[in-house]
Amino acid sequence: DQQVKQNSPSLSVQEGRISILNCDYTNSMFDYFLWYKKYPAEGPTFLISISSIKDKNEDGRFTVFLNKSAKHLSLHIVPSQPGDSAVYFCAASPLASSNTGKLIFGQGTTLQVKP
Amino acid sequence: GAVVSQHPSRVICKSGTSVKIECRSLDFQATTMFWYRQFPKKSLMLMATSNEGSKATYEQGVEKDKFLINHASLTLSTLTVTSAHPEDSSFYICSAARTGAAQPQHFGDGTRLSIL
Repeated sequence: DQQVKQNSPSLSVQEGRISILNCDYTNSMFDYFLWYKKYPAEGPTFLISISSIKDKNEDGRFTVFLNKSAKHLSLHIVPSQPGDSAVYFCAASPLASSNTGKLIFGQGTTLQVKP
Repeated sequence: GAVVSQHPSRVICKSGTSVKIECRSLDFQATTMFWYRQFPKKSLMLMATSNEGSKATYEQGVEKDKFLINHASLTLSTLTVTSAHPEDSSFYICSAARTGAAQPQHFGDGTRLSIL
């Protein structure tokens, strides 16, 4: 049972344009969401997060949107840069585990930004 | 920034060997560390939560006797894959969060385990 889903395994975007990565979840008890970026042979690197009490969080070129009613979140990267090419993981933390740090991950989306 | 070091990065060994993987938080203390396993083109699956000074909490379906976890200090957790077999071949990765802050977790670079 995949509680966090990233339905697009890959995405290709032209440099300078917007990249939009999507994530859906099924468990309404998730209350904290994170995006991680992963390069080959490295561990995931934290990018940005959002609490369920918010619907938007912005950090530089990265913005995360949360739509609780649709159980959907998205990561917007603008403008996209070739160095953004990586695998992006969406992760969610269940309410009961928000103090323990347990995370449920999506399958990942491979983003390729073309020069 | 927060740094988590994982060692070794790659292990190739014969079936029946036990393999120990170390996870260290280099510049912060971590009461809790996490061990994940990733299959090809799949998401990271949480195996267990490692608690400093107490027993690890394993996820459903993860064999406790197969994957031994020790969290002896606030900066070190180890995962030992006992009597490894080819089906244990995978990418294992640890993470840690600062004590007192459940998120975000910071990840090591992972260990590629290959059992022949």
